[in-house]
Amino acid sequence: ILNVEQSPQSLHVQEGDSTNFTCSFPSSNFYALHWYRWETAKSPEALFVMTLNGDEKKKGRISATLNTKEGYSYLYIKGSQPEDSATYLCALTNSNSGYALNFGKGTSLLVTP
Amino acid sequence: KAGVTQTPRYLIKTRGQQVTLSCSPISGHRSVSWYQQTPGQGLQFLFEYFSETQRNKGNFPGRFSGRQFSNSRSEMNVSTLELGDSALYLCASSLGLGRGTEAFFGQGTRLTVV
Repeated sequence: ILNVEQSPQSLHVQEGDSTNFTCSFPSSNFYALHWYRWETAKSPEALFVMTLNGDEKKKGRISATLNTKEGYSYLYIKGSQPEDSATYLCALTNSNSGYALNFGKGTSLLVTP
Repeated sequence: KAGVTQTPRYLIKTRGQQVTLSCSPISGHRSVSWYQQTPGQGLQFLFEYFSETQRNKGNFPGRFSGRQFSNSRSEMNVSTLELGDSALYLCASSLGLGRGTEAFFGQGTRLTVV
């Protein structure tokens, strides 16, 4: 079992605020870092899969960066909207874990108007 | 394109019984993984199948088993249910060609053991 940690555990922001979360993971034998968004009563939805150190990915107002040498990834949301309210999960695969996604416990984001 | 389908969505079972959960992956996907989420815990990996072969198994007791059929549909079985098995069970499908492949999740089966 790989130790993937996410912070903060929860976050409450106002509409229009920008925010970011952190995912920390063991840097050894890294293969890929996945970000998911999970809205209540829905399926987790893939946001990004990142494999290269220094990777930066963007989808609309959401972007992510990756540092495999120090073992962290940041997820940024610019100008948060109420529809961004969800739990954001990161998951790691490495050469020891095979094809298993090792998830952190997530950051729960609430955006109020 | 149809997504990942899990059946049933909700299930109530009694301690000691067994249960079978089903997962139909996205067409063309050959990998199916299963995860368990209990209150306060993150998603915990159970096992992963690719072309009917189990490639990975998580740290769960032998009461948890699975299989994959030639059409890539997968079933998960839990025997001798315990109260602690109450959880949301999610399956995910992917092309399974590499560890950086995007996985698509179903909506899950909510199992309650009483």
